[in-house]
Amino acid sequence: AQTVTQSQPEMSVQEAETVTLSCTYDTSENNYYLFWYKQPPSRQMILVIRQEAYKQQNATENRFSVNFQKAAKSFSLKISDSQLGDTAMYFCAFFQGAQKLVFGQGTRLTINP
Amino acid sequence: GAVVSQHPSWVICKSGTSVKIECRSLDFQATTMFWYRQFPKQSLMLMATSNEGSKATYEQGVEKDKFLINHASLTLSTLTVTSAHPEDSSFYICSAASTGVGSTEAFFGQGTRLTVV
Repeated sequence: AQTVTQSQPEMSVQEAETVTLSCTYDTSENNYYLFWYKQPPSRQMILVIRQEAYKQQNATENRFSVNFQKAAKSFSLKISDSQLGDTAMYFCAFFQGAQKLVFGQGTRLTINP
Repeated sequence: GAVVSQHPSWVICKSGTSVKIECRSLDFQATTMFWYRQFPKQSLMLMATSNEGSKATYEQGVEKDKFLINHASLTLSTLTVTSAHPEDSSFYICSAASTGVGSTEAFFGQGTRLTVV
């Protein structure tokens, strides 16, 4: 069974700093997708970034980028120039076909002014 | 992005009654929908995966007779909590998956806060 592990329950950084959230996963599949979602206090899940496993190039979305290491089954999220609005819960998720969308435990990120 | 509408956003029901939560994909066809339960300050726990026109696949430990899932069309899935009890109180979230080369993504409803009294 696929599992996703986020080993950092909480993180806190100062505004404008760079922060990296870690995520590892376990699967025997070769084709899958990985996501980072943000959940603000409203609890609406917001997609931050997506990575296709068949792509070697790391995905980037403005201030957000990932370090995808397929062999190591690692998928970390880097937030550059962090902003107060980045404060939220962040979840790493594994998606394989139409079968499973599984989440890690989450990391509570606080950006301090 | 695509829109997933979940209704109601909150509901209070009496113990022993049933509650139905709807999840609609408004502008795309979702062959697969996922239902989650989220406890305060915890992650989303996958309850079941439903594919249009077939029975839902439940995760281990989830009572399928208590949490009835129906995915009758490509745009609608429902979760019915039968004979609800206070321990069923939680936040329930649905997700609809859109799959395609380069466009695979899961879209989420706003969630439903269920309180059983």
